[in-house]
Amino acid sequence: GQQVMQIPQYQHVQEGEDFTTYCNSSTTLSNIQWYKQRPGGHPVFLIQLVKSGEVKKQKRLTFQFGEAKKNSSLHITATQTTDVGTYFCAGPNTGTASKLTFGTGTRLQVTL
Amino acid sequence: DTGVSQDPRHKITKRGQNVTFRCDPISEHNRLYWYRQTLGQGPEFLTYFQNEAQLEKSRLLSDRFSAERPKGSFSTLEIQRTEQGDSAMYLCASSFPPPGQGASGYTFGSGTRLTVV
Repeated sequence: GQQVMQIPQYQHVQEGEDFTTYCNSSTTLSNIQWYKQRPGGHPVFLIQLVKSGEVKKQKRLTFQFGEAKKNSSLHITATQTTDVGTYFCAGPNTGTASKLTFGTGTRLQVTL
Repeated sequence: DTGVSQDPRHKITKRGQNVTFRCDPISEHNRLYWYRQTLGQGPEFLTYFQNEAQLEKSRLLSDRFSAERPKGSFSTLEIQRTEQGDSAMYLCASSFPPPGQGASGYTFGSGTRLTVV
Protein backbone atom coordinates (compact mmCIF):
# COMPACT_ATOMS: atom_id res chain seq x y z
CA GLY A 1 0.00 0.00 0.00
CA GLN A 2 0.89 3.65 -0.19
CA GLN A 3 3.52 4.78 2.31
CA VAL A 4 4.44 8.31 3.31
CA MET A 5 7.65 8.77 5.24
CA GLN A 6 9.03 11.87 6.90
CA ILE A 7 12.49 12.76 8.11
CA PRO A 8 13.73 13.60 10.59
CA GLN A 9 11.52 11.93 13.15
CA TYR A 10 12.48 14.53 15.75
CA GLN A 11 14.41 17.78 15.77
CA HIS A 12 15.38 20.06 18.61
CA VAL A 13 16.44 23.60 17.70
CA GLN A 14 17.27 26.82 19.47
CA GLU A 15 14.83 29.64 18.93
CA GLY A 16 15.84 31.59 15.84
CA GLU A 17 17.34 28.61 14.01
CA ASP A 18 15.81 27.28 10.82
CA PHE A 19 14.02 23.92 10.52
CA THR A 20 13.17 21.67 7.60
CA THR A 21 11.14 18.48 7.41
CA TYR A 22 11.06 16.26 4.33
CA CYS A 23 8.20 14.09 3.12
CA ASN A 24 8.50 11.20 0.66
CA SER A 25 5.69 9.17 -0.85
CA SER A 26 5.99 5.71 -2.38
CA THR A 27 3.52 6.80 -5.08
CA THR A 28 2.93 9.91 -7.17
CA LEU A 29 0.50 12.25 -5.47
CA SER A 30 -2.18 14.43 -7.02
CA ASN A 31 -1.64 16.86 -4.17
CA ILE A 32 0.09 17.09 -0.80
CA GLN A 33 -1.25 18.60 2.40
CA TRP A 34 0.53 19.70 5.56
CA TYR A 35 -0.84 19.67 9.10
CA LYS A 36 0.47 20.84 12.46
CA GLN A 37 -0.41 19.12 15.71
CA ARG A 38 0.45 20.87 18.95
CA PRO A 39 1.22 18.69 21.99
CA GLY A 40 -2.08 17.36 23.32
CA GLY A 41 -3.97 18.82 20.37
CA HIS A 42 -5.42 17.67 17.09
CA PRO A 43 -4.02 18.09 13.57
CA VAL A 44 -4.69 21.50 12.03
CA PHE A 45 -4.61 21.99 8.27
CA LEU A 46 -1.87 24.32 7.08
CA ILE A 47 -1.78 24.17 3.28
CA GLN A 48 -2.38 22.12 0.14
CA LEU A 49 0.00 22.00 -2.83
CA VAL A 50 -1.24 20.74 -6.19
CA LYS A 51 1.17 21.62 -9.00
CA SER A 52 4.52 20.02 -9.74
CA GLY A 53 7.32 22.21 -8.35
CA GLU A 54 4.86 24.47 -6.53
CA VAL A 55 6.20 26.68 -3.75
CA LYS A 56 3.93 28.44 -1.27
CA LYS A 57 4.76 30.68 1.67
CA GLN A 58 2.90 31.44 4.87
CA LYS A 59 4.89 34.03 6.82
CA ARG A 60 7.98 32.12 8.04
CA LEU A 61 6.83 28.79 6.57
CA THR A 62 7.77 27.72 3.04
CA PHE A 63 6.20 24.65 1.47
CA GLN A 64 7.48 22.95 -1.66
CA PHE A 65 6.07 20.15 -3.83
CA GLY A 66 8.62 18.14 -5.80
CA GLU A 67 8.80 18.08 -9.57
CA ALA A 68 7.91 14.39 -9.65
CA LYS A 69 5.07 14.98 -7.15
CA LYS A 70 6.42 12.29 -4.85
CA ASN A 71 8.11 14.48 -2.26
CA SER A 72 7.59 17.69 -0.40
CA SER A 73 9.27 19.84 2.21
CA LEU A 74 8.35 22.34 4.88
CA HIS A 75 10.93 24.92 5.90
CA ILE A 76 10.51 27.23 8.88
CA THR A 77 12.74 30.29 9.03
CA ALA A 78 13.80 31.65 12.42
CA THR A 79 11.80 29.26 14.57
CA GLN A 80 9.80 30.49 17.55
CA THR A 81 8.53 28.59 20.58
CA THR A 82 5.05 28.78 19.06
CA ASP A 83 6.29 26.48 16.25
CA VAL A 84 6.56 23.56 18.68
CA GLY A 85 4.53 20.55 17.58
CA THR A 86 4.46 17.66 15.15
CA TYR A 87 4.25 18.39 11.45
CA PHE A 88 2.54 15.83 9.22
CA CYS A 89 2.38 15.67 5.47
CA ALA A 90 -0.53 13.79 3.92
CA GLY A 91 -1.39 12.66 0.44
CA PRO A 92 -4.51 11.23 -1.19
CA ASN A 93 -4.59 7.48 -1.47
CA THR A 94 -4.06 6.34 -5.03
CA GLY A 95 -7.31 4.42 -5.03
CA THR A 96 -9.48 7.01 -3.36
CA ALA A 97 -8.72 10.63 -4.08
CA SER A 98 -10.50 11.82 -0.96
CA LYS A 99 -8.85 9.62 1.66
CA LEU A 100 -5.55 10.89 3.01
CA THR A 101 -2.57 8.82 4.05
CA PHE A 102 -0.62 10.67 6.72
CA GLY A 103 3.13 10.65 7.02
CA THR A 104 5.06 9.51 10.06
CA GLY A 105 5.46 13.08 11.29
CA THR A 106 8.35 15.24 12.45
CA ARG A 107 8.28 16.47 16.02
CA LEU A 108 9.82 19.89 16.49
CA GLN A 109 11.05 21.12 19.84
CA VAL A 110 12.17 24.75 20.16
CA THR A 111 14.00 26.06 23.19
CA LEU A 112 15.12 29.55 24.15
CA ASP B 1 -21.16 26.07 14.10
CA THR B 2 -17.49 26.83 14.06
CA GLY B 3 -15.81 23.43 13.97
CA VAL B 4 -15.99 19.68 14.29
CA SER B 5 -17.30 18.48 17.67
CA GLN B 6 -16.58 15.11 19.22
CA ASP B 7 -18.11 13.54 22.26
CA PRO B 8 -16.97 12.35 24.71
CA ARG B 9 -13.47 13.83 25.02
CA HIS B 10 -12.31 10.92 27.15
CA LYS B 11 -13.64 7.41 27.69
CA ILE B 12 -12.32 4.76 30.04
CA THR B 13 -13.88 1.36 29.62
CA LYS B 14 -13.30 -2.18 30.74
CA ARG B 15 -12.12 -4.75 28.25
CA GLY B 16 -15.07 -6.45 26.58
CA GLN B 17 -17.44 -3.49 26.89
CA ASN B 18 -18.95 -1.66 23.92
CA VAL B 19 -18.30 2.04 23.37
CA THR B 20 -19.84 4.60 21.01
CA PHE B 21 -18.40 7.93 19.98
CA ARG B 22 -20.17 10.80 18.28
CA CYS B 23 -18.93 13.32 15.75
CA ASP B 24 -20.72 16.45 14.55
CA PRO B 25 -18.98 17.77 11.43
CA ILE B 26 -19.10 21.26 10.01
CA SER B 27 -22.62 21.46 8.63
CA GLU B 28 -21.63 22.41 5.06
CA HIS B 29 -19.10 19.57 4.80
CA ASN B 30 -20.32 16.54 2.88
CA ARG B 31 -17.35 14.30 3.68
CA LEU B 32 -16.68 12.85 7.11
CA TYR B 33 -13.70 10.74 8.15
CA TRP B 34 -12.71 8.68 11.14
CA TYR B 35 -9.04 8.23 11.96
CA ARG B 36 -7.21 6.61 14.84
CA GLN B 37 -3.97 7.93 16.30
CA THR B 38 -1.66 6.31 18.79
CA LEU B 39 1.17 8.06 20.61
CA GLY B 40 3.98 9.14 18.31
CA GLN B 41 2.19 8.05 15.14
CA GLY B 42 0.34 9.79 12.36
CA PRO B 43 -3.43 9.46 12.04
CA GLU B 44 -4.47 6.12 10.57
CA PHE B 45 -7.54 5.95 8.31
CA LEU B 46 -10.55 3.98 9.55
CA THR B 47 -13.50 4.92 7.35
CA TYR B 48 -15.15 7.75 5.46
CA PHE B 49 -18.58 8.93 4.38
CA GLN B 50 -19.78 11.13 1.59
CA ASN B 51 -23.12 12.41 2.80
CA GLU B 52 -24.80 9.33 4.31
CA ALA B 53 -22.94 6.75 2.21
CA GLN B 54 -20.01 4.92 3.76
CA LEU B 55 -17.64 4.77 0.80
CA GLU B 56 -14.63 3.06 2.28
CA LYS B 57 -13.57 1.13 5.33
CA SER B 58 -9.99 0.26 6.17
CA ARG B 59 -9.08 -3.38 5.64
CA LEU B 60 -7.20 -3.16 8.92
CA LEU B 61 -10.47 -2.55 10.74
CA SER B 62 -11.96 -5.57 12.43
CA ASP B 63 -15.65 -6.42 12.37
CA ARG B 64 -15.90 -5.09 15.92
CA PHE B 65 -15.83 -1.55 14.49
CA SER B 66 -18.85 -0.02 12.84
CA ALA B 67 -19.71 3.50 11.81
CA GLU B 68 -22.87 5.22 10.69
CA ARG B 69 -23.84 8.62 9.40
CA PRO B 70 -27.63 8.71 9.28
CA LYS B 71 -29.10 11.52 7.20
CA GLY B 72 -25.61 12.66 6.28
CA SER B 73 -25.17 14.79 9.37
CA PHE B 74 -23.54 13.53 12.58
CA SER B 75 -21.70 10.22 12.70
CA THR B 76 -21.17 7.54 15.31
CA LEU B 77 -18.32 5.07 15.67
CA GLU B 78 -19.00 1.98 17.73
CA ILE B 79 -16.43 -0.48 18.99
CA GLN B 80 -17.81 -3.75 20.30
CA ARG B 81 -16.02 -6.02 22.76
CA THR B 82 -13.20 -3.56 23.29
CA GLU B 83 -9.63 -4.80 23.63
CA GLN B 84 -6.61 -3.12 25.17
CA GLY B 85 -5.18 -2.63 21.69
CA ASP B 86 -8.11 -0.35 20.88
CA SER B 87 -6.73 2.28 23.26
CA ALA B 88 -6.01 5.33 21.12
CA MET B 89 -7.23 8.78 20.15
CA TYR B 90 -10.15 8.56 17.74
CA LEU B 91 -10.26 11.58 15.47
CA CYS B 92 -13.12 12.73 13.32
CA ALA B 93 -12.60 15.13 10.43
CA SER B 94 -14.76 16.69 7.76
CA SER B 95 -14.12 18.38 4.44
CA PHE B 96 -15.88 19.90 1.45
CA PRO B 97 -13.74 19.69 -1.64
CA PRO B 98 -14.63 22.13 -4.42
CA PRO B 99 -16.23 20.56 -7.52
CA GLY B 100 -13.63 18.85 -9.67
CA GLN B 101 -11.15 18.54 -6.82
CA GLY B 102 -10.61 15.14 -5.30
CA ALA B 103 -9.40 16.44 -1.98
CA SER B 104 -9.29 19.46 0.24
CA GLY B 105 -7.99 20.18 3.71
CA TYR B 106 -9.57 18.36 6.62
CA THR B 107 -10.95 20.06 9.71
CA PHE B 108 -10.34 17.76 12.65
CA GLY B 109 -12.24 17.56 15.89
CA SER B 110 -10.49 17.45 19.25
CA GLY B 111 -10.80 13.67 19.33
CA THR B 112 -12.02 11.08 21.81
CA ARG B 113 -9.29 9.46 23.85
CA LEU B 114 -10.19 5.86 24.59
CA THR B 115 -8.50 3.89 27.34
CA VAL B 116 -9.36 0.22 27.67
CA VAL B 117 -8.42 -1.27 31.04
